[in-house]
Amino acid sequence: KQEVTQIPAALSVPEGENLVLNCSFTDSAIYNLQWFRQDPGKGLTSLLLIQSSQREQTSGRLNASLDKSSGRSTLYIAASQPGDSATYLCAVKRTNAGKSTFGDGTTLTVKP
Amino acid sequence: EAGVAQSPRYKIIEKRQSVAFWCNPISGHATLYWYQQILGQGPKLLIQFQNNGVVDDSQLPKDRFSAERLKGVDSTLKIQPAKLEDSAVYLCASGAGRANEKLFFGSGTQLSVL
Repeated sequence: KQEVTQIPAALSVPEGENLVLNCSFTDSAIYNLQWFRQDPGKGLTSLLLIQSSQREQTSGRLNASLDKSSGRSTLYIAASQPGDSATYLCAVKRTNAGKSTFGDGTTLTVKP
Repeated sequence: EAGVAQSPRYKIIEKRQSVAFWCNPISGHATLYWYQQILGQGPKLLIQFQNNGVVDDSQLPKDRFSAERLKGVDSTLKIQPAKLEDSAVYLCASGAGRANEKLFFGSGTQLSVL
């Protein structure tokens, strides 16, 4: 059974800092890994999707990496802004038709 | 492009009552998911549909939860009777059904069972 862990559960940083969020998974036989953002009282928004054959994906100030052999992914946020404050979740999919297994998320607060 | 629509936005009921949630996925999306998200936790899959067929309902408490997706479009999730531990946000997501698809989520229904 796939288990996904995100540490730390919460993170507070000053504006402008570069930061890394971590995601680890127990079964390295994955199809893809997706990073989401969730604002309070809202649904999830997909940020980046990394296919199992890829090592990283970039979108603007976000960069996600994937190391299947060690069961880890990181989400790097450059030059953080108060608008980046949200909960960030990672989700792992074992097969194309299968379900996504989510971590419990890291709640990020960026202080002005 | 319209997103995933869910209603109601909030629902408060007493235990042992019944409740139903509705989801309208993005037009043309073949895959539809219902997730339960308890406060402070990540979403947990309840049921996955491909068109109007069930792909995975292994974590759906079938003694009290039911779901259907008529004509492969809209979907409803029902709880009867509700328990206190069913208090959570119920999220609907849809995907195009293609390889390495991104998931699109609705805003969810926040259920409080008193």
